Amino acid sequence: DQQVKQNSPSLSVQEGRISILNCDYTNSMFDYFLWYKKYPAEGPTFLISISSIKDKNEDGRFTVFLNKSAKHLSLHIVPSQPGDSAVYFCAASESTNAGKSTFGDGTTLTVKP
Amino acid sequence: DAGITQSPRHKVTETGTPVTLRCHQTENHRYMYWYRQDPGHGLRLIHYSYGVKDTDKGEVSDGYSVSRSKTEDFLLTLESATSSQTSVYFCAISDQTGSPLHFGNGTRLTVT
Repeated sequence: DQQVKQNSPSLSVQEGRISILNCDYTNSMFDYFLWYKKYPAEGPTFLISISSIKDKNEDGRFTVFLNKSAKHLSLHIVPSQPGDSAVYFCAASESTNAGKSTFGDGTTLTVKP
Repeated sequence: DAGITQSPRHKVTETGTPVTLRCHQTENHRYMYWYRQDPGHGLRLIHYSYGVKDTDKGEVSDGYSVSRSKTEDFLLTLESATSSQTSVYFCAISDQTGSPLHFGNGTRLTVT
């Protein structure tokens, strides 16, 4: 039973447009959510996080939205740039124990010039 | 990459042999983790450490052991490698449990 799901394996958008990456979770004990970005042959790097006491967190071009009732979060990238092309992982954890996160399978984002 | 070095970066080994992967950090972070990533899948936690000689199991710990004799080093050992352990292994560190992880660049292990 996969507790964190990223249902879209891939997403392609035009440079300058919005990219929306989605993530669903089933474990109601999750209260801390993170997004990581991964380039080929490198380790994941932290992008942005949100705790369950918030429904939105913004950092520059990146915004994460959390809908607790739907157990759904999304990452918005505006405007998208070719350098954003990477695999994006959604991760969830209990009691802000980010080290013991459960990861989704990832979404490969391609931003076309 | 936050001062994390994984070695080796690539390794090919035969079924049944023991293998040790090393993670070295220069950040003096308390927490260290080993994850594995398989094609088309997310990362799964193997083992983690919350201090020197303090370790615990993660989601997929069977067939793996770890040791941490110094703050800076966290070793992952495959006691008898199997083909199902062919994967990319990532080490990660954090200074607090609530902090995001900083990952190394991974070790690609192939078990033939």
